[in-house]
Order: sequence, then C-alpha cells, then structure tokens
Amino acid sequence: EPEVTQTPSHQVTQMGQEVILRCVPISNHLYFYWYRQILGQKVEFLVSFYNNEISEKSEIFDDQFSVERPDGSNFTLKIRSTKLEDSAMYFCASSISNQPQHFGDGTRLSIL
Amino acid sequence: AQTVTQSQPEMSVQEAETVTLSCTYDTSESDYYLFWYKQPPSRQMILVIRQEAYKQQNATENRFSVNFQKAAKSFSLKISDSQLGDAAMYFCAYRSAFTGGTSYGKLTFGQGTILTVHP
Repeated sequence: EPEVTQTPSHQVTQMGQEVILRCVPISNHLYFYWYRQILGQKVEFLVSFYNNEISEKSEIFDDQFSVERPDGSNFTLKIRSTKLEDSAMYFCASSISNQPQHFGDGTRLSIL
Repeated sequence: AQTVTQSQPEMSVQEAETVTLSCTYDTSESDYYLFWYKQPPSRQMILVIRQEAYKQQNATENRFSVNFQKAAKSFSLKISDSQLGDAAMYFCAYRSAFTGGTSYGKLTFGQGTILTVHP
C-alpha cells in the first residue's frame, strides 16, 4: 500500500536555526497537510496546501513557517528561526479530495 | 469553529473484553466526516474507522465499530475482543465535507484517550 514518507525521523537543532522537514506524499494525492503534536498533547492543524498554494493555515502557522512543493514529489515545511516551543512531532498527511488523510510516521523535532 | 471533545483521558480493558471510547463534537455544519485514529507508542497515526455524517448506518471495521448519534453530536468507538495490540492513544477527529471556504480538508482532533489492555 502506498505510504506517506517523512524525513528525517528525528531532527535536533539549535534554537534560532532554520530547519526543513521533508515529506513525500502519496503520488496521486492532491491535498497536503502539516500537523503538529507537542508531547502529550493533541494533534494540531498547521497548514493545508492544494494546487501549489496554501488553502488554509492555523494561528500557529506564523511568519516563521513556510511550505513548499519544490518538485512533483516533495512537500516541505520550513521553520525559519526555531524556538524552544517548536519542539514537537510534526506529521505530514495527504489525501484525495474527501477521502481520509494518510499520515506519515512523523518527524520528531527537538530544539536545544 | 468546530470542536472535538474526548472526556476520557485514560481507559483500560481486559484482553478479549469490549471497551467503548467516547467522543463529542460541536459543529453547525450538516455534512461532515468523523474519524478515529490510533496512535501506538511508535507515534504513527493510523486510521481506524471513518463515518460520513449523511449515512445513518454506523460504520464497522472488523472488531471496531462506532455509535454515531448525529442529533446528540456523539461518536463513540467500540472495540470488541480487545487485543494487546490495541493498546494506544486514540484520537477522534472531525473534518468538514465542504470544499473551499476556510475549513476545507483540515482535521480537528480531540485530546485523545490512552487505552491500556491488560492480559
């Protein structure tokens, strides 16, 4: 069964540094999402992306965050200047229209 | 804005027994989707079951079934014949069925319920 692939599985970064989290969605999916889960808390929506543009973003997704689909397969989340509170599990998901979203295994981001 | 509430932070069940996890939600929309996702200690997000709001029939997937009460805005998950591998965090999630607007596609999650299965 096709899978959403996320790399790296664990990223450790110094506060203030830029970090890029990478995702390869399922190949025929058209809608892409990033979610965040701070340890022990619920999963929170960050941003959705369709037709090469952001379709919706949450209050969490401020100017420090950006997303990009640089080629036909990758979907990236960039955090420009990381803060301690950005430490979390980041999940990428993809879907076809109203079909359920398929999640990747997540990237655990640790900010030191 | 839609909200999802899971009032049981933790639940436990004996292996082979049945357990029900509760979820309530709030929305003004008439058409939407509800989901249960499982998150084992590995922290993957695994889809367990899905319910379309326009369907009156409750969804079933093998040992997993839901009790969808649209008027009460309730969406509980029943796990029958519980197995050790069912131990995980379970999240209830809501998604609008409408395209466009400001809420297309995103999932709104509840706080989660940790399920422990005792041998």
